[in-house]
Amino acid sequence: QKEVEQNSGPLSVPEGAIASLNCTYSDRGSQSFFWYRQYSGKSPELIMSIYSNGDKEDGRFTAQLNKASQYVSLLIRDSQPSDSATYLCAGLSRSSGGFKTIFGAGTRLFVKA
Amino acid sequence: SAVISQKPSRDICQRGTSLTIQCQVDSQVTMMFWYRQQPGQSLTLIATANQGSEATYESGFVIDKFPISRPNLTFSTLTVSNMSPEDSSIYLCSVELNDYEQYFGPGTRLTVT
Repeated sequence: QKEVEQNSGPLSVPEGAIASLNCTYSDRGSQSFFWYRQYSGKSPELIMSIYSNGDKEDGRFTAQLNKASQYVSLLIRDSQPSDSATYLCAGLSRSSGGFKTIFGAGTRLFVKA
Repeated sequence: SAVISQKPSRDICQRGTSLTIQCQVDSQVTMMFWYRQQPGQSLTLIATANQGSEATYESGFVIDKFPISRPNLTFSTLTVSNMSPEDSSIYLCSVELNDYEQYFGPGTRLTVT
C-alpha cells in the first residue's frame, strides 16, 4: 500500500513566523510531489509542485524534496492568518493503469494574529 | 490552470434515490477524476474517467453504485445511486493538466436523509 503521511496537527504558529509542514512517502519510485491548500468548506487548490531534489521557491512558499529520505516539506515564510487552512501533500506513484496521485490526510495550520 | 464548475453545489436527497453530479471544464482535458471527501477527512478517489473508455474504479467503489459518464473532453457526470445516509459527503471532480497537476472543482455537498 503506497502511502503519503502527514501529521494531522493542528500546527499553530504566530503571525510572521515560518510554518513548516512535513510529509513522508512510502513509494521510493515516486518522482513528483504536490502541495495543496484547502480552506474550510472549499476544494483543494494547488500551491506548488516539485520534481527534483532540493528547494523550489515561489513567493512566500518553499517546497523541499529529499528523495533519499523520502520526505517533502513546505515552508511558509511570514505566515499570515489567511494562510490558516489544511495543507495536503500528494505524491505521484505508478499504478496498474499508469500513474496515480496519492494524497496525505492533511495538516491543519493555524496562524495566530 | 482550468476553470471547473460542478452542479449542483449542494443537495439534500432521500435515501433510495439517485443524484447525478455534473462537472464541466473550460478546456479539453484527457484525465478527469472523481473524489469523495468526508468532513475533516482527506480525499478518497472514486474513479478515473477518461474520454472514450470505461471509467476505472478504485477498490471499494463499483460502477453500479457510482456510474460515470465521460461523453467528451470537457464534461463528466457521476451518479450516486440508491443513496443511503453513508453516502453523505462532498464529491469533487478534478482534472489533470501539465505534469500530473490536478485542479479541483468547487465540490458538491450531498446530504442523504
